[in-house]
Amino acid sequence: RKEVEQDPGPFNVPEGATVAFNCTYSNSASQSFFWYRQDCRKEPKLLMSVYSSGNEDGRFTAQLNRASQYISLLIRDSKLSDSATYLCVVNTGFQKLVFGTGTRLLVSP
Amino acid sequence: EAGVVQSPRYKIIEKKQPVAFWCNPISGHNTLYWYRQNLGQGPELLIRYENEEAVDDSQLPKDRFSAERLKGVDSTLKIQPAELGDSAVYLCASSLSGSNTGELFFGEGSRLTVL
Repeated sequence: RKEVEQDPGPFNVPEGATVAFNCTYSNSASQSFFWYRQDCRKEPKLLMSVYSSGNEDGRFTAQLNRASQYISLLIRDSKLSDSATYLCVVNTGFQKLVFGTGTRLLVSP
Repeated sequence: EAGVVQSPRYKIIEKKQPVAFWCNPISGHNTLYWYRQNLGQGPELLIRYENEEAVDDSQLPKDRFSAERLKGVDSTLKIQPAELGDSAVYLCASSLSGSNTGELFFGEGSRLTVL
């Protein structure tokens, strides 16, 4: 079983739609969690951290469920510019950051 | 402020040839990472440095891969000899030591094609 698993997609949604991605992790001792965004042929960049209490940044909401060992990312009112690959990242301890395979999102007009 | 700088951006070589990648991290970042990203996959850690010490190289294929960070700043990653399966993007990233923000700053990557 992979340490971090994501549905690779692609998720095809129209502009204005709400879309959600999930990610599961295998190491129950994992300490911290993040979502990164990667545009086509570009480097990954931090989108947001994921806190136990959940956190929101504009149209983006991230949530963590430690009991079920999954993380989610919700994007409301999708924009064309949201088209990218979203990488789930887990700190499994000792600053070891493990990336998922990424979920590809395509937002169409 | 300059970001993480990598070179070369692109490299095409024949199998069995050697190749080297260079990385200059963000000034003041003591932690440096080398990741490999295959097409359609997420980045996979090859090696992590804290200053000049390799603290995690468990995923580095040591028979053909080597890395160094002699003065705790720049780093090089070498493959010798390269194999077809080594074709990938090699990403360098840096972060502040002990940071729990999870924010790694990546370079643009070095895209390797092995023929």
